[in-house]
Amino acid sequence: AQSVAQPEDQVNVAEGNPLTVKCTYSVSGNPYLFWYVQYPNRGLQFLLKYITGDNLVKGSYGFEAEFNKSQTSFHLKKPSALVSDSALYFCAVRDGGRRALTFGSGTRLQVQP
Amino acid sequence: DAGVTQSPTHLIKTRGQQVTLRCSPKSGHDTVSWYQQALGQGPQFIFQYYEEEERQRGNFPDRFSGHQFPNYSSELNVNALLLGDSALYLCASSWTSGSTDTQYFGPGTRLTVL
Repeated sequence: AQSVAQPEDQVNVAEGNPLTVKCTYSVSGNPYLFWYVQYPNRGLQFLLKYITGDNLVKGSYGFEAEFNKSQTSFHLKKPSALVSDSALYFCAVRDGGRRALTFGSGTRLQVQP
Repeated sequence: DAGVTQSPTHLIKTRGQQVTLRCSPKSGHDTVSWYQQALGQGPQFIFQYYEEEERQRGNFPDRFSGHQFPNYSSELNVNALLLGDSALYLCASSWTSGSTDTQYFGPGTRLTVL
């Protein structure tokens, strides 16, 4: 079985400061990892993914994520947060043999001006 | 280039009724997945359709069924609605090319069961 844990329900950060949203996963086989963002009353928008290769993945809107195999983590980062980054962030995983994404419970990011 | 579209946006039904939700995939995509997102939770996988067949199914009862049409669009049907079926239903499309296909989501259909 595959699973994702997002240990923080909410992350608060001041505008201009770096942000990190944490994600750990469990999967048999090689993990395919994804980050999505959800704005109020909207669907999920794809931010970035890790399939293979460099452990640091760059995505949309200045976001990046670091894959750490030994710690089974895939934390989302941004060097300088914007108020407009305030939203709900979901980490998701699947292994190569399955098509279904398994999502974490989500982390609400609040960026204060 | 249109993204994934879903209809209707909102729907209100009563217990015991049946509902059909519709999804049109992103241009060039051939695979449709459906997810249920209850309030305050992450999306849960219902099933995936490829080449007009159900390719994978999550832990949902048989009341949930689907269909994919030759133009790759898809429907989700839910019979004998329960209060607990109230949720945001998300459709995601992807292009099946090996195992690295990325799923792109539509805006969702908000179903309320009274």
